[in-house]
Amino acid sequence: GENVEQHPSTLSVQEGDSAVIKCTYSDSASNYFPWYKQELGKRPQLIIDIRSNVGEKKDQRIAVTLNKTAKHFSLHITETQPEDSAVYFCAAISDKLIFGTGTRLQVFP
Amino acid sequence: DVKVTQSSRYLVKRTGEKVFLECVQDMDHENMFWYRQDPGLGLRLIYFSYDVKMKEKGDIPEGYSVSREKKERFSLILESASTNQTSMYLCASSLGDLPLHFGNGTRLTVT
Repeated sequence: GENVEQHPSTLSVQEGDSAVIKCTYSDSASNYFPWYKQELGKRPQLIIDIRSNVGEKKDQRIAVTLNKTAKHFSLHITETQPEDSAVYFCAAISDKLIFGTGTRLQVFP
Repeated sequence: DVKVTQSSRYLVKRTGEKVFLECVQDMDHENMFWYRQDPGLGLRLIYFSYDVKMKEKGDIPEGYSVSREKKERFSLILESASTNQTSMYLCASSLGDLPLHFGNGTRLTVT
C-alpha cells in the first residue's frame, strides 16, 4: 500500500544552523504535501504545504522542495531557533492523507 | 480561527470498559477524522466521515467504531477497551480539500 517514509527520526542542531527533514512517498498520484509541526503537548499545526505543480515554496525561514520524479520532498529550516524544537510530520495525499512517522527536532542554544 | 475541541485531555479506563471520545468543531466542516498517534508510528487514521451519518474505515479501524449524528460532532467509540489501545487520540476536521485542523488530543490509558 501507499506509505510515506520520513528521515531522520531525530535531529539535533545548534541554534542558527539549518535543519533538513526528508520524506519519500510511494504513490505517484500524490499531489499535495503538507508539513505539520507539533510542539510538546500541543496539537499538530500546518506550517507549510506544496502542491505537485510547484517545485519549491518558501515562507520566511521555512522552505519545502518537491522532486516528483524521485518522489521525495523536503522541509528546510534556516537560522534555527530554540522555539523550532518540536516534532515535524510530513504527509502526502492522493486519495487519502498518509503521514510520515515524524522527526523530533531539537535546537540547542 | 477553526476550533476543534476534544472533550477530555486525559482519560484512564479499565480493560473491557466502553470508552467514548468526543470531538466538536465549530466551523461547519464536512470532513472529520480520528487518528491515533504512537511513537515511531506517526499518525494513523482510524475512521473518517465526509457527512452526517456517514463513516469510512481508515487504516486501523479494528476495535473502534464511530458516530456522526450531527455535522459538528464526531465520536470515537472503543467498544471494549484493551491495553493496546493506550495511545494519544487526535481528532481533525477540514473543509473540502485539506488542510486538516487538529484538536489538542486525548491521551487514553487503558489499565
